[in-house]
Amino acid sequence: KAGVTQTPRYLIKTRGQQVTLSCSPISGHRSVSWYQQTPGQGLQFLFEYFSETQRNKGNFPGRFSGRQFSNSRSEMNVSTLELGDSALYLCASSPSLAGGSNEQFFGPGTRLTVL
Amino acid sequence: EDKVVQSPLSLVVHEGDTVTLNCSYEVTNFRSLLWYKQEKKAPTFLFMLTSSGIEKKSGRLSSILDKKELFSILNITATQTGDSAVYLCAVGGIQGAQKLVFGQGTRLTINP
Repeated sequence: KAGVTQTPRYLIKTRGQQVTLSCSPISGHRSVSWYQQTPGQGLQFLFEYFSETQRNKGNFPGRFSGRQFSNSRSEMNVSTLELGDSALYLCASSPSLAGGSNEQFFGPGTRLTVL
Repeated sequence: EDKVVQSPLSLVVHEGDTVTLNCSYEVTNFRSLLWYKQEKKAPTFLFMLTSSGIEKKSGRLSSILDKKELFSILNITATQTGDSAVYLCAVGGIQGAQKLVFGQGTRLTINP
């Protein structure tokens, strides 16, 4: 089975711009979660999508948003970029079966640099 | 607020040594604890633990969970230079089942 894929792998933007990152989960997985990883804060949960609905949300400002399509692919968007948004953005997929586990599998990440 | 604390934050050992990494947690409605290994990019899944006292093993790695004392350990025996990585502990709760709360990670360096 192919793993989680994320595009693009690297991105350089300037302050004030917006960015869209894409994630394709493992085939058959219906849940996609997004995390931000920085040296100072570690891995922090952004949000989770399941069946095209946002099911959980972390403590990030409204500039961070996402969506999920009917094929389970997900995108996240960051508007009005700030220097502090520079980070590795990781997507994780999970089968999320009813009563199932929290097991999540991560993609390679998108390294976003804001100048 | 949910919290996961790992110790030590950094560890340097020689090849062949055995290491024990620690993870303690405070999470509402605990469901599972997961260990990941992160080298250069994405964390790779190692173990998921849901029940106390049952050891999970994979080769030289093993892990156990204590739900009464709210901690887990990850053991690596006969370490190799390829074990050098950051080891992350994460906890998931029933409420918000796919939201994992991560610890800071333990940076393990194995010297030849």
